[in-house]
Amino acid sequence: GENVEQHPSTLSVQEGDSAVIKCTYSDSASNYFPWYKQELGKRPQLIIDIRSNVGEKKDQRIAVTLNKTAKHFSLHITETQPEDSAVYFCAPPPGAGKSTFGDGTTLTVKP
Amino acid sequence: SQTIHQWPATLVQPVGSPLSLECTVEGTSNPNLYWYRQAAGRGLQLLFYSVGIGQISSEVPQNLSASRPQDRQFILSSKKLLLSDSGFYLCAWRLGNTIYFGEGSWLTVV
Repeated sequence: GENVEQHPSTLSVQEGDSAVIKCTYSDSASNYFPWYKQELGKRPQLIIDIRSNVGEKKDQRIAVTLNKTAKHFSLHITETQPEDSAVYFCAPPPGAGKSTFGDGTTLTVKP
Repeated sequence: SQTIHQWPATLVQPVGSPLSLECTVEGTSNPNLYWYRQAAGRGLQLLFYSVGIGQISSEVPQNLSASRPQDRQFILSSKKLLLSDSGFYLCAWRLGNTIYFGEGSWLTVV
């Protein structure tokens, strides 16, 4: 199945700064790229996704960009706020039944 | 609409005791179902997935097992828990390409 490498594993920013998390994938046939957010003690939830026919998608302060040539997709959070502090996971497109996730990035937004 | 229920929410079990975590999905049929485990401060480890009744794929060999006795029911079990089994267990199902998680079960093995 598809594997992803997610970087960085931890990220600390000042409130108001931007944060970028990157995932690299290997399967050139991949066509769907989601990002999940997991707040402390809670379940992960989908926050944004992108399909391979577009290069960027935005939803208020978050955006996802896709570089198919380089095989990576990134999560961008602008004007970070303390409530953005969480663990973020990327996920490759599910295989035949199987669904795996990147190792996660712990984002800390310091007030 | 579809919902997923998982229980119990928390449990403390002694080493060597059995385990049973249950998960049910409502509002859909023949869903892909998953069990993940998350150790403290770590990522999501896929334990088992199922594409249909009685069809279980194991990702990590260990002392856990899974069963799917009904279309929308997924059970995670162990005959004898180890200390290393402690963690946050998440049941999930898939709609299209999106994974939806249950609220999770916190297991502490003492």
